[in-house]
Amino acid sequence: SQQGEEDPQALSIQEGENATMNCSYKTSINNLQWYRQNSGRGLVHLILIRSNEREKHSGRLRVTLDTSKKSSSLLITASRAADTASYFCATVRNFGNEKLTFGTGTRLTIIP
Amino acid sequence: GAGVSQTPSNKVTEKGKYVELRCDPISGHTALYWYRQSLGQGPEFLIYFQGTGAADDSGLPNDRFFAVRPEGSVSTLKIQRTERGDSAVYLCASSFKGQLTDTQYFGPGTRLTVL
Repeated sequence: SQQGEEDPQALSIQEGENATMNCSYKTSINNLQWYRQNSGRGLVHLILIRSNEREKHSGRLRVTLDTSKKSSSLLITASRAADTASYFCATVRNFGNEKLTFGTGTRLTIIP
Repeated sequence: GAGVSQTPSNKVTEKGKYVELRCDPISGHTALYWYRQSLGQGPEFLIYFQGTGAADDSGLPNDRFFAVRPEGSVSTLKIQRTERGDSAVYLCASSFKGQLTDTQYFGPGTRLTVL
């Protein structure tokens, strides 16, 4: 079953603008990860944020995590046409194994 | 190759047939995961292997689904008596040790279509 939802379901912006996607989840977590998927196939790991972290940066990506609200956001700055893809958040719980529980995804389209 | 590979990339079968999907993980990765992704949805966990053993098969939908990893590297997902609802993209991922913060590396997936 899906862990939670992402918002918005779809987002279209002009190249160069910033894109923000939000993710909500339901249970306590060890960490939250963001993945990108092109053309409905392979997923690429973007960034991981641990439950005791509030913000993390990687290149043009900025991720925030609010465990009290069970939510996270992904900001992509200075978007490029190549950023067009679906973006998924995924959570890992504090016990058991590292299986990922994915959200429903945001379809991002960058307009050149 | 350096990444996770999956074969075949596409599989079309008829309702009731048996199919096998193969995953070659990154060399040296002990943890291997299978996920299933239906159209417009996020991937859903099926099964997790640590070495040769299935450490967590809680995501397998029913007993028509089975997976093996006999030598701790290549894994095969087996689906018996396929149904139209089994149509999806089946994704495989591997990670170094399966620790909670290990990165999972995904293969390109196998698109299964059951007619």
